[in-house]
Amino acid sequence: DGGITQSPKYLFRKEGQNVTLSCEQNLNHDAMYWYRQDPGQGLRLIYYSQIVNDFQKGDIAEGYSVSREKKESFPLTVTSAQKNPTAFYLCASSWDRGPDTQYFGPGTRLTVL
Amino acid sequence: AQSVSQHNHHVILSEAASLELGCNYSYGGTVNLFWYVQYPGQHLQLLLKYFSGDPLVKGIKGFEAEFIKSKFSFNLRKPSVQWSDTAEYFCAVNGPGRRALTFGSGTRLQVQP
Repeated sequence: DGGITQSPKYLFRKEGQNVTLSCEQNLNHDAMYWYRQDPGQGLRLIYYSQIVNDFQKGDIAEGYSVSREKKESFPLTVTSAQKNPTAFYLCASSWDRGPDTQYFGPGTRLTVL
Repeated sequence: AQSVSQHNHHVILSEAASLELGCNYSYGGTVNLFWYVQYPGQHLQLLLKYFSGDPLVKGIKGFEAEFIKSKFSFNLRKPSVQWSDTAEYFCAVNGPGRRALTFGSGTRLQVQP
């Protein structure tokens, strides 16, 4: 069953704690992305990676970090520096050549208590 | 910087009514255009896309969209909506200078039986 998996589905964090969200894909896609979804704001790009061991900041990267050690994995860490981390986080992947469709995972809803 | 505007934030229709959701973008170059849909509790999934060729594109579930380059628009249409079309709809764009998607703020469609 090919696709993108994200875990956990729901995550609760105390203020001041770092937390890591998992994203795995078995589509053999080169590029992976993290977006944040807030009500009424659509999705905004946090980080993206076009190749293993390389990634670039998106529009709202402050307070987040990522790694891309394997092609299939692109974990996102929400650090204590993120001022308003409560949101729905979506991971996506695509090929990195020509126009292509991004496929999305089911998302992780993070709530900071 | 590129941006995407969705004019309708919340639309309420009765079953069998016709639907048109507006999407305008600002992007200096060749664009790829997408409509995604997020049904309650489900993944964000692709409804339709435009890369090149015929500006009238057909997607899943009877949806279609028309790319009008002179108006920087990519409006979504469906002749007759069903209760099952209740969802949030997102317009998105990317291009050669930016592989990640830029999303509009979304339109919440509520179809009443």
